[in-house]
Amino acid sequence: NAGVTQTPKFRVLKTGQSMTLLCAQDMNHEYMYWYRQDPGMGLRLIHYSVGEGTTAKGEVPDGYNVSRLKKQNFLLGLESAAPSQTSVYFCASRHGRTSYNEQFFGPGTRLTVL
Amino acid sequence: DQQVKQNSPSLSVQEGRISILNCDYTNSMFDYFLWYKKYPAEGPTFLISISSIKDKNEDGRFTVFLNKSAKHLSLHIVPSQPGDSAVYFCAASDGGTASKLTFGTGTRLQVTL
Repeated sequence: NAGVTQTPKFRVLKTGQSMTLLCAQDMNHEYMYWYRQDPGMGLRLIHYSVGEGTTAKGEVPDGYNVSRLKKQNFLLGLESAAPSQTSVYFCASRHGRTSYNEQFFGPGTRLTVL
Repeated sequence: DQQVKQNSPSLSVQEGRISILNCDYTNSMFDYFLWYKKYPAEGPTFLISISSIKDKNEDGRFTVFLNKSAKHLSLHIVPSQPGDSAVYFCAASDGGTASKLTFGTGTRLQVTL
């Protein structure tokens, strides 16, 4: 099993450009999450999904959109990138059967917006 | 408002000694707590967790203690090894919809020879 994979690993954008980050998991997990990590801030939840076709806002959703068309994939979109979106983005997934399961994280995408 | 706080940004410990990492929280609804370990350029990996109905959970060299009245938890690593050098994140969940996690800001542990 590959676990949670993220594409791409690195990306540099100019202000105003758009892009999509792809997260894929092969563990048949129901729940998926997108976080961003900034220096001194820990990980903050952007959006999450409790199942195929459903998404919800997290703590810092502004400027991002998400889609979960297939159970194994969770896409994070930036429609018009801003320098404030320079960050490391992590995707995570977990089983939804019980409340107390850990989340499994991908390796991250480092995004720089110039 | 930081609901999960790790007040020590860094900690240096000698190999073989005990490492103690601390975490405080403010939300009384949190009922499940986790520790994650993160190496540079990698995603966080789950280390150990504890439910609010317990006050201690042990897994090999790692033990997590929970003091609900003080809203405080700690991670003990004994003995510490150089491979333990990483950033450690404390996280908490209220068990609600999707069991979202709230993370602390992390503590960088360096285990020296």
